[in-house]
Amino acid sequence: GESVGLHLPTLSVQEGDNSIINCAYSNSASDYFIWYKQESGKGPQFIIDIRSNMDKRQGQRVTVLLNKTVKHLSLQIAATQPGDSAVYFCAEKHSNSGYALNFGKGTSLLVTP
Amino acid sequence: GAGVSQSPSNKVTEKGKDVELRCDPISGHTALYWYRQRLGQGLEFLIYFQGNSAPDKSGLPSDRFSAERTGESVSTLTIQRTQQEDSAVYLCASSFTLRGEQFFGPGTRLTVL
Repeated sequence: GESVGLHLPTLSVQEGDNSIINCAYSNSASDYFIWYKQESGKGPQFIIDIRSNMDKRQGQRVTVLLNKTVKHLSLQIAATQPGDSAVYFCAEKHSNSGYALNFGKGTSLLVTP
Repeated sequence: GAGVSQSPSNKVTEKGKDVELRCDPISGHTALYWYRQRLGQGLEFLIYFQGNSAPDKSGLPSDRFSAERTGESVSTLTIQRTQQEDSAVYLCASSFTLRGEQFFGPGTRLTVL
């Protein structure tokens, strides 16, 4: 069946470096993608989203890239800070699944000083 | 309130007991979603409500799970005859419309002994 997965379960980066978190999806009908950040003991927090008619979108210190050809999504965090330490989830939805989000397992980002 | 709230924050119960989890969405949000998050996993969709439309129950794992929502306000998720595999964090989210950004509550951590 359709799935959303992440290439790496954990990622450790040094403070100030850039981070890249990757995500693969399998359903070519997926048309909306979101990245969420989840800190320990809290619910997921929206970071940035992108629709399938775009291949790049930028926010504050974050950029999401979408490659529909290989069904790959990435989240880039510039100048990573200790406060960025969290689990990051990609999520997708497509028109034939209603409005529920399909989440990947998550990547744990650890920022070291 | 300012965000989505959920209660209780933690619930420990014995196998076979029924539990009720509560979600207070952001005022004015017409859509409400329930997700389950097992330890170290992504979120699994359970059910969503949109206004007075029939809820999408396609994610409920068994008939032991049910949910209700009164109008566009509070929702309760009920799990009957709890099993150990029901242990998870149950997250609620709301959005202004079905296409809108989903804002998550902090979750209820359910432990079934």
